[in-house]
Amino acid sequence: KAGVTQTPRYLIKTRGQQVTLSCSPISGHRSVSWYQQTPGQGLQFLFEYFSETQRNKGNFPGRFSGRQFSNSRSEMNVSTLELGDSALYLCASSLVAGDTYNEQFFGPGTRLTVL
Amino acid sequence: LAKTTQPISMDSYEGQEVNITCSHNNIATNDYITWYQQFPSQGPRFIIQGYKTKVTNEVASLFIPADRKSSTLSLPRVSLSDTAVYYCLVKVGGSYIPTFGRGTSLIVHP
Repeated sequence: KAGVTQTPRYLIKTRGQQVTLSCSPISGHRSVSWYQQTPGQGLQFLFEYFSETQRNKGNFPGRFSGRQFSNSRSEMNVSTLELGDSALYLCASSLVAGDTYNEQFFGPGTRLTVL
Repeated sequence: LAKTTQPISMDSYEGQEVNITCSHNNIATNDYITWYQQFPSQGPRFIIQGYKTKVTNEVASLFIPADRKSSTLSLPRVSLSDTAVYYCLVKVGGSYIPTFGRGTSLIVHP
C-alpha cells in the first residue's frame, strides 16, 4: 500500500506570495492533519480534516487555510507569506478522526523556504 | 498554556535500555499518549500508543502512571539505527489540540 505523498517536496517563494501544498493520504484513510515543523517551535498542529470537514484547528493566523476533497486528498494554502513561514510542512493521514486510539502516518513533508 | 516536556537529548550505547520520559500535565481525559520517531529528512513514524498502565509492542514499551501526567517510552537494547529524535504527542485538555513535545534527540554510540 502506498504511503502518504506530499507535493511538491521543496518550494521557494518570496514574501507576500501565496502557496498551495498538496497531500494524498493512504488509500482508505479519511482523516488528514497538517503540521508545521521549525527548529524554533518544533512540531505544531495546523488543522485536521475528516470527510471534507475541518474538525480541529491549531493556533495559527487566518493566512493558513486548508481543505479536503471527496477523495480525501487535502491541500493547505498559506497567503501573504512571511519569512517566519519557512518550515517543513507535514501531512499525516489516519483511518478515522483523531478522537481516540489513532495511528497517524506521516508523509515526507514539503520544505518551504520564504525569501 | 499546557506544556508537553521532554529531555532535549540523551546518549546511550548499543545494547543498553533507554527510557525517555514526557511530562504532560494537562492531557485530555479521554486521550491516548502516542510516541513517534523521526529521522532526518523524514516525517515522524509511529512507535507506540497507550491510555494507561503499560503497553508493549515489538519495538518498545510505554509506561503510564495512574495520574497520566507523564509517560515513559522504553527502548530495549538500542542499536545504532535507533539514533533519532523521539516525540511524545497528546491532546491538551479543553482545546483538544494535538501537542507534540519538543523532541528528545537520542544518540546511540558503538
